[in-house]
Amino acid sequence: EADIYQTPRYLVIGTGKKITLECSQTMGHDKMYWYQQDPGMELHLIHYSYGVNSTEKGDLSSESTVSRIRTEHFPLTLESARPSHTSQYLCASSELETQYFGPGTRLLVL
Amino acid sequence: QQPVQSPQAVILREGEDAVINCSSSKALYSVHWYRQKHGEAPVFLMILLKGGEQKGHDKISASFNEKKQQSSLYLTASQLSYSGTYFCGTGGSNYKLTFGKGTLLTVNP
Repeated sequence: EADIYQTPRYLVIGTGKKITLECSQTMGHDKMYWYQQDPGMELHLIHYSYGVNSTEKGDLSSESTVSRIRTEHFPLTLESARPSHTSQYLCASSELETQYFGPGTRLLVL
Repeated sequence: QQPVQSPQAVILREGEDAVINCSSSKALYSVHWYRQKHGEAPVFLMILLKGGEQKGHDKISASFNEKKQQSSLYLTASQLSYSGTYFCGTGGSNYKLTFGKGTLLTVNP
């Protein structure tokens, strides 16, 4: 089982603020992913990375950006938060196909 | 192509059995099953691979039907702890999983 951490767990922020959601894993997995999920709804892939300096956009268009400078770290940034960004953001990592999820960050933009 | 899960929701009494299906319109190579409890992250249950056997642990098992392009998750003698949303994720050649919309399972005493 992967050890994958996300901070903060909860964030309430005003419109227009810049935010960074942190995701770190200690398993040395090359592949990392960001999903957006509204309560009780499906998982939408918004970004993924196959390794350092590799990032791709996912199936759901997102105004967020990501970076992968270190294998263990995959932060997600919103330059200007909006109420429509209110959601849960889940980070995951994998060695092969099976993905292991972090606890998630619940974001509320007022 | 997003896999289709059925049913969308199911309510059981403790001790009853349930089957959740995951169907794809394209050829399946792997199916991953996850359970997500309310307010928590999805937890990996098991993976089924093309040509592989039926898998299971405890009273939860799954099968892979290549002909039907479908996987089924079987929950036997359900416990209260089985409650949650079950997602199937289908794999491809690029390490991305495409998840279904989920099946909400509620087990009542």
